[in-house]
Amino acid sequence: AQSVTQLDSQVPVFEEAPVELRCNYSSSVSVYLFWYVQYPNQGLQLLLKYLSGSTLVKGINGFEAEFNKSQTSFHLRKPSVHISDTAEYFCAVIPRGNAGGTSYGKLTFGQGTILTVHP
Amino acid sequence: EAQVTQNPRYLITVTGKKLTVTCSQNMNHEYMSWYRQDPGLGLRQIYYSMNVEVTDKGDVPEGYKVSRKEKRNFPLILESPSPNQTSLYFCASSLSGGRGHEQYFGPGTRLTVT
Repeated sequence: AQSVTQLDSQVPVFEEAPVELRCNYSSSVSVYLFWYVQYPNQGLQLLLKYLSGSTLVKGINGFEAEFNKSQTSFHLRKPSVHISDTAEYFCAVIPRGNAGGTSYGKLTFGQGTILTVHP
Repeated sequence: EAQVTQNPRYLITVTGKKLTVTCSQNMNHEYMSWYRQDPGLGLRQIYYSMNVEVTDKGDVPEGYKVSRKEKRNFPLILESPSPNQTSLYFCASSLSGGRGHEQYFGPGTRLTVT
């Protein structure tokens, strides 16, 4: 089974400041890792994902995340935020392969982090 | 435009009155899934489908049914809704459940059961 913990439920920050949203996970098998963003009254949109290779992953809107296998973390960062980045952010994992298994394709989400960017 | 559509977007109903939330995707995806989102809990999987006529339970299947008779459609059925099923529901689809393929989400259905 997998579990995901987002360490901050709310993160307030001023415009143009850097931000880090923290995510730790637990899994007995290897996983793929994702960050999704949810703007108010909308569905979820993929920001970035880690499948393999370089542990630093770049996504849309200037976001990036670093996979740290030893610490089982996948923190999301942006060097300079904008008002338009105000949204809820979700970290999620999917177990690799396992076709036919009970977790096949199942995204396990963290609780979400509400990022509020103030002018 | 590639998309996942859900209907209705908003629904208020009473306890025990059967309802169906429709989900359709136009990307020829094999894998489809339903999630519910509750404050402080993130999203939790209700049911998923690996392909036509192949469905299985997720983490919170109690009180829900699904069917997958066509590849593009994956309706969620609440045969006897109860207030604890008041939630925000999302349908998602992806090329397959494995290999880290991106899951595309619908706009959500906000359900209130009184």
